[in-house]
Amino acid sequence: EAGVTQSPTHLIKTRGQQATLRCSPISGHTSVYWYQQALGLGLQFLLWYDEGEERNRGNFPPRFSGRQFPNYSSELNVNALELEDSALYLCASSLGRYSNQPQHFGDGTRLSIL
Amino acid sequence: QQQVKQSPQSLIVQKGGISIINCAYENTAFDYFPWYQQFPGKGPALLIAIRPDVSEKKEGRFTISFNKSAKQFSLHIMDSQPGDSATYFCAARRGSSNTGKLIFGQGTTLQVKP
Repeated sequence: EAGVTQSPTHLIKTRGQQATLRCSPISGHTSVYWYQQALGLGLQFLLWYDEGEERNRGNFPPRFSGRQFPNYSSELNVNALELEDSALYLCASSLGRYSNQPQHFGDGTRLSIL
Repeated sequence: QQQVKQSPQSLIVQKGGISIINCAYENTAFDYFPWYQQFPGKGPALLIAIRPDVSEKKEGRFTISFNKSAKQFSLHIMDSQPGDSATYFCAARRGSSNTGKLIFGQGTTLQVKP
């Protein structure tokens, strides 16, 4: 069974540009979560999508947004990139939105802002 | 109240020894406590998880001990091997009014010396 896949692996942008990160969940999983892993800050929850709806967002500015498609894959968009957005962006998926379902992570997209 | 505090920040253990990583939380609404293992360049992989109605859970060489009254839980790695060298994260999630998000500890970098 294929795990969570993310693309691209690496992304280099300059300040002010926009970045789009993609995630395909494990087959059969309907919930997708996005986390930011910045150096020294640990893993911070960004967004949660389930059945195409945004269910929750973390303490991040509105320039972080995303969506979930009918096939349950997801996009994370970051507008007006800032140097501090440099981080590993991790996507996770789970089988449904119920709290007893474990989250399984992909290997992330490394976003570097020059 | 939303924090999970993890210690130590780094740990060096001899091959065959026991590695112990501790986490503490404040929010009594947390009811799911997973541990993740992350190798460099990879996403976190779910290792083992526990719920508050169980005081201990063992899977192979990995054991979680849970102390509900003290609001603490720990990961024990028995017979530690060089291949266990990785960063370990504890996490917690609220069950009721599911927010979807995992709240992570800051991570422990484990080095197992041959």
